[in-house]
Amino acid sequence: QVQLVESGGGVVQPGRSLRLSCAASGFTFRNYAMHWVRQAPGKGLEWVAVIWSDGTTKDYADSVKGRFTISRDNSEDTLYLQMDSLRAEDTAVYYCARDGYCGGGSCYVGYWGQGTLVTVSS
Amino acid sequence: DIVMTQSPDSLAVSLGERATINCKSSQSVFYSSTNKNYLAWYQQKPGQPPKLLLYWASTRESGVPDRFSGSGSGTDFTLTISGLQAEDVAIYYCQQYYGTPWTFGQGTKVEVK
Repeated sequence: QVQLVESGGGVVQPGRSLRLSCAASGFTFRNYAMHWVRQAPGKGLEWVAVIWSDGTTKDYADSVKGRFTISRDNSEDTLYLQMDSLRAEDTAVYYCARDGYCGGGSCYVGYWGQGTLVTVSS
Repeated sequence: DIVMTQSPDSLAVSLGERATINCKSSQSVFYSSTNKNYLAWYQQKPGQPPKLLLYWASTRESGVPDRFSGSGSGTDFTLTISGLQAEDVAIYYCQQYYGTPWTFGQGTKVEVK
């Protein structure tokens, strides 16, 4: 079955960096677009970034553009999120997520990991 | 960006009764070339990740009970829970995937009256 396991969260000071990882299993990783979605404590869902299956096309929410970088290693079935210049407002649970079965093009989020908490605080 | 607005923010429904959640997008999420509405619904219970309920506005995900149904097109959509069960207590989100940035509604909290 599809499994997405995030790691790398923790407490970090404002202005510092953190890299999240998401280990994928149970499906052919290289065939699917992957997302990061975050949820601040007690708040709603915010889409952060997407990377298409071949890793060449990426897109970001304006709130993280220029600070966060999404990447993937299709040989290791792993998704990454490099987060630089972190701010207090980046504090959230970060979910790794996979596209559904759309056969290409824009797609809904079909599968979610359990999430990893990032706390930005001095 | 496409803004998604849900109503109400919360609702309390008696067990066995119907719950209706509305979702309105600031622009149409219907793509004429595919004849599909790029709209999904998710359920999130406390301490858990969201779970996909419906996609293409009305297609039920495998394993989702048939008491969950979706309707609507263009800019106005509805999630209906026909016969609320105790396990349906959760926050429900709509999401458009018509284009980036993907955007979610603010969520609707469903409780038992």
